[in-house]
Amino acid sequence: NAGVTQTPKFRVLKTGQSMTLLCAQDMNHEYMYWYRQDPGMGLRLIHYSVGEGTTAKGEVPDGYNVSRLKKQNFLLGLESAAPSQTSVYFCASSRGGVSTDTQYFGPGTRLTVL
Amino acid sequence: GESVGLHLPTLSVQEGDNSIINCAYSNSASDYFIWYKQESGKGPQFIIDIRSNMDKRQGQRVTVLLNKTVKHLSLQIAATQPGDSAVYFCALGGSYIPTFGRGTSLIVHP
Repeated sequence: NAGVTQTPKFRVLKTGQSMTLLCAQDMNHEYMYWYRQDPGMGLRLIHYSVGEGTTAKGEVPDGYNVSRLKKQNFLLGLESAAPSQTSVYFCASSRGGVSTDTQYFGPGTRLTVL
Repeated sequence: GESVGLHLPTLSVQEGDNSIINCAYSNSASDYFIWYKQESGKGPQFIIDIRSNMDKRQGQRVTVLLNKTVKHLSLQIAATQPGDSAVYFCALGGSYIPTFGRGTSLIVHP
């Protein structure tokens, strides 16, 4: 049981390049989330999904797209990377339900955009 | 909207002391509260949670206290150890999207 895994762990991009971050969970969780974490800013929600085939915008969705084609995977895409997207990205999952359940986080992806 | 605040961004304690990390919230409708620990270079990890029908819950060396009257949540760590050094986040549940505080950095001095 690996929990939540993220690929890659580190990446350096040039401005304008694109990339996809992959999140996978093996806990059969319904809900999945993408956050970014910047110094002094805490965790900010980018996009989230409450089930396979569904996605929704979070607090800071601009410049990012997501897809949840399979229940266990949640992909975060950057179509044209900008230096402002330099951050550490965390994926999380939870069982779901009426009230938000405990979230399980991945180890993070450290992205630098030059 | 919801807001979650932390009283201190950094808390320094001596090894063996008890630590108290505080969190204030504004949304009276929140019914689920969670504390996470984030060690350097890692993702946040669940520590303990509490539902709004409780005012205290204990775990191993940790206790969470909830005061709904003043909308205040605290995490108490007994006999703090160097391995407790981390950033601690409180989070509010009650909807699809939890609300996270900005975090308190706990520094434990040997």
